[in-house]
Amino acid sequence: DTGVSQDPRHKITKRGQNVTFRCDPISEHNRLYWYRQTLGQGPEFLTYFQNEAQLEKSRLLSDRFSAERPKGSFSTLEIQRTEQGDSAMYLCASSLNPRGRTDTQYFGPGTRLTVL
Amino acid sequence: AQTVTQSQPEMSVQEAETVTLSCTYDTSESDYYLFWYKQPPSRQMILVIRQEAYKQQNATENRFSVNFQKAAKSFSLKISDSQLGDAAMYFCAYRSATGMYSGGGADGLTFGKGTHLIIQP
Repeated sequence: DTGVSQDPRHKITKRGQNVTFRCDPISEHNRLYWYRQTLGQGPEFLTYFQNEAQLEKSRLLSDRFSAERPKGSFSTLEIQRTEQGDSAMYLCASSLNPRGRTDTQYFGPGTRLTVL
Repeated sequence: AQTVTQSQPEMSVQEAETVTLSCTYDTSESDYYLFWYKQPPSRQMILVIRQEAYKQQNATENRFSVNFQKAAKSFSLKISDSQLGDAAMYFCAYRSATGMYSGGGADGLTFGKGTHLIIQP
């Protein structure tokens, strides 16, 4: 399977704990995106990387959230001091963005976070 | 900021019939992309169809086609010959074109709230 993969698929944690999610994009995709999806809503953009550079962050991304893509391949999203409001599905997407061509994002299966 | 509105929380259609899902959006930009994504119960988003705003011709992918009305800021999805496997949440999404070449901002997708499509056998 050469699609976008995410790990873990499910995470249950207690309020105040830190959690980290991993996303492996499609090989050679230079862009990687993180979204958050709550029940009954569409995904909301959080942040994205082009190679290892984090180019854009949404206002939804509070200072408790941090994302990295150290070598321009996989990415991690860490949430510190989790709150119940952080409970959601966290989706990762990747795309290949050569100049002059349309850029389509391909999504992973998501990590469902439940904060108790 | 751009907004995307899907006014139909749920739609139901008989198998083999045709159904149209509505989407409207608000933007001040002239160059952008529109997408329909499908999210089956397994929750992985799958791209259904894509439309470039500069193209007047409506996009088509097999049984899926769009009616893109740029002036009206409308982007509906038509599914012909509905099949049981089409049952899913359908999300309309907008993306600015300005970030694609500059590598700058506005590169994230803006999604609507989705339409739950039910296929009646």
